[in-house]
Amino acid sequence: NAGVMQNPRHLVRRRGQEARLRCSPMKGHSHVYWYRQLPEEGLKFMVYLQKENIIDESGMPKERFSAEFPKEGPSILRIQQVVRGDSAAYFCASSGRTGSYEQYFGPGTRLTVT
Amino acid sequence: KNEVEQSPQNLTAQEGEFITINCSYSVGISALHWLQQHPGGGIVSLFMLSSGKKKHGRLIATINIQEKHSSLHITASHPRDSAVYICAVVVSGSRLTFGEGTQLTVNP
Repeated sequence: NAGVMQNPRHLVRRRGQEARLRCSPMKGHSHVYWYRQLPEEGLKFMVYLQKENIIDESGMPKERFSAEFPKEGPSILRIQQVVRGDSAAYFCASSGRTGSYEQYFGPGTRLTVT
Repeated sequence: KNEVEQSPQNLTAQEGEFITINCSYSVGISALHWLQQHPGGGIVSLFMLSSGKKKHGRLIATINIQEKHSSLHITASHPRDSAVYICAVVVSGSRLTFGEGTQLTVNP
C-alpha cells in the first residue's frame, strides 16, 4: 500500500530553466494539495486539485507557476523560468474524498536553483 | 499576525521529560493537525483533531474549540523525538494553514 510518492526528490535547475515536480497520490485518492516550504520558513499552501480540475489556486504565484492533475498519471507542479527565490522544498499531500480533512504527505522535492 | 501561533519556537529537554507544545489559532476551524518533520524533511501526520483528545503511544493531543487552543504532549521523551512539530488548521475548504513549527531537541 504505497504512500504518496514524489519525484524527483532533489532537483537542481539553473536560473531560467523549467522545473517539473511530480506527485502520485495514495492509491484511491483523487485530491492533491501542493505546499511550499521556503528556507527557514513555514509551510504555505499553493494549490488544491482534483482529477482534471483546479479547485483552489489562491496560494499560487501569479506568474511562472502552474499545476495540473490529469485523468491519468501524476499531478505536476510546473515552474517556468526558475529564479533563485524558487529554491524550496515542495510537498504534496493527498486525500481520499471531498470533505475529508485527512491529508497524507509525500517526502517532498527539494528544488535548488543555481 | 499569523492565523496559527505556536509556542515555544524552540524547546530543549532532557530524555524522560514531559513535553508540551502549544498551538493557538484566531479563526474558526474545521479540524487541526499535528505534524512531525524530521531533519531530512519528510512530514508525518501525527494527529487530526476536531474535538477532545487523542492518544497514540507516548503522544497525546488535545483541543479546546472554545478557547481556540491545542496542545501536543510527549511523555517520557526520547532523543528520537527530536524534530520540528507543526500545528496546521483547516480554515476554509480543506487546505491547511500552518504554524511556524516548534523545534524540539531531546538530549540523552
